[in-house]
Amino acid sequence: AQSVSQHNHHVILSEAASLELGCNYSYGGTVNLFWYVQYPGQHLQLLLKYFSGDPLVKGIKGFEAEFIKSKFSFNLRKPSVQWSDTAEYFCAVYGNNRLAFGKGNQVVVIP
Amino acid sequence: EAQVTQNPRYLITVTGKKLTVTCSQNMNHEYMSWYRQDPGLGLRQIYYSMNVEVTDKGDVPEGYKVSRKEKRNFPLILESPSPNQTSLYFCASSPRREHSGNTIYFGEGSWLTVV
Repeated sequence: AQSVSQHNHHVILSEAASLELGCNYSYGGTVNLFWYVQYPGQHLQLLLKYFSGDPLVKGIKGFEAEFIKSKFSFNLRKPSVQWSDTAEYFCAVYGNNRLAFGKGNQVVVIP
Repeated sequence: EAQVTQNPRYLITVTGKKLTVTCSQNMNHEYMSWYRQDPGLGLRQIYYSMNVEVTDKGDVPEGYKVSRKEKRNFPLILESPSPNQTSLYFCASSPRREHSGNTIYFGEGSWLTVV
């Protein structure tokens, strides 16, 4: 079964700082990769997804992620965060009819 | 409007009292699934269904049951709830059995507390 690892569960940074969240997955087949964001008290929203083509994927709200097949990674980046980016971020991998999530990164942006 | 609707949104119940969390989608999706979200553990899949009358276990199925008698509904049943099932539950649906490239729609979540 596939699995996802996210590191640095708690991230605190100041506005305008750059953000990078790591995501490593394990799965032997063709993968489809996702990043979701969950704002406080809300449900999951899709930030971006990768299933083929350009490994650099751009999503909503200025986020992007890069799929590196050789490293089994799909790291999320944002060059300059805002206070409104305070949320929990989940990486997910789909394979074998199942969507597996990482444990999430709690990101707090200080104004 | 495309949506996944869960009910109840908030529930406090007692150990052993059977309860059902309903999930309904209005998009004619084949694939539906249930997740529970716990602090530090992310989202873990409980059960999923690839179509009517087709269900399968996810990562943490113990203590739960599901049914898929109609395409639009996928209720989650806790026959005898226990405190370790206190969690935030999400229902999700997708247009095809493969999520590949398709948008996965999540419900707004159901906060369940078992005392």
